[in-house]
Amino acid sequence: GENVGLHLPTLSVQEGDNSIINCAYSNSASDYFIWYKQESGKGPQFIIDIRSNMDKRQGQRVTVLLNKTVKHLSLQIAATQPGDSAVYFCAENSGYSTLTFGKGTMLLVSP
Amino acid sequence: EPEVTQTPSHQVTQMGQEVILRCVPISNHLYFYWYRQILGQKVEFLVSFYNNEISEKSEIFDDQFSVERPDGSNFTLKIRSTKLEDSAMYFCASSALAGGSYEQYFGPGTRLTVT
Repeated sequence: GENVGLHLPTLSVQEGDNSIINCAYSNSASDYFIWYKQESGKGPQFIIDIRSNMDKRQGQRVTVLLNKTVKHLSLQIAATQPGDSAVYFCAENSGYSTLTFGKGTMLLVSP
Repeated sequence: EPEVTQTPSHQVTQMGQEVILRCVPISNHLYFYWYRQILGQKVEFLVSFYNNEISEKSEIFDDQFSVERPDGSNFTLKIRSTKLEDSAMYFCASSALAGGSYEQYFGPGTRLTVT
């Protein structure tokens, strides 16, 4: 069936580096995508979203890029900090209210 | 800042028992959701709820599951007869506006352990 998946299960970076987390999706009908951050023992926390009529959206230290041609989504974190260490999930809106989550990428930031 | 709260944080139950997981969504939100996350796996949608009705549900949300908004603040998930495979983190979420195209705020989760 159609699903959202992640290429890299674990990403290790040094503090201050830029991080890029990737996500592939297969449902071409999805029109809304979200990145969530999940710290240990907590629920998913909204980071940034993007609609399918856009290809880039910037937030504070984060940028989401959407490439509909290849069905690819990425999250860029600038100047990564130890507090950014968490699992990052991409999710797509695949129904009226349904969010379909990817498997997650663990980001490890070393000081 | 308003937040979604969930109780209990951890529930241990025996197989075949009924459990009720409780959530208090953000007060001005109208749309409510339950998700689950089996250890080490991705977050999975269970059900969405609006205007005292289920809006959407996934294949996971079978007859063993039910949701209710018993009063103006609580939103509950009941599992009628728990199975070992129901062991997971259960997250409640709420959103102010319609559908998945608006930010869903997640609670901290309830860890359900079925023995």
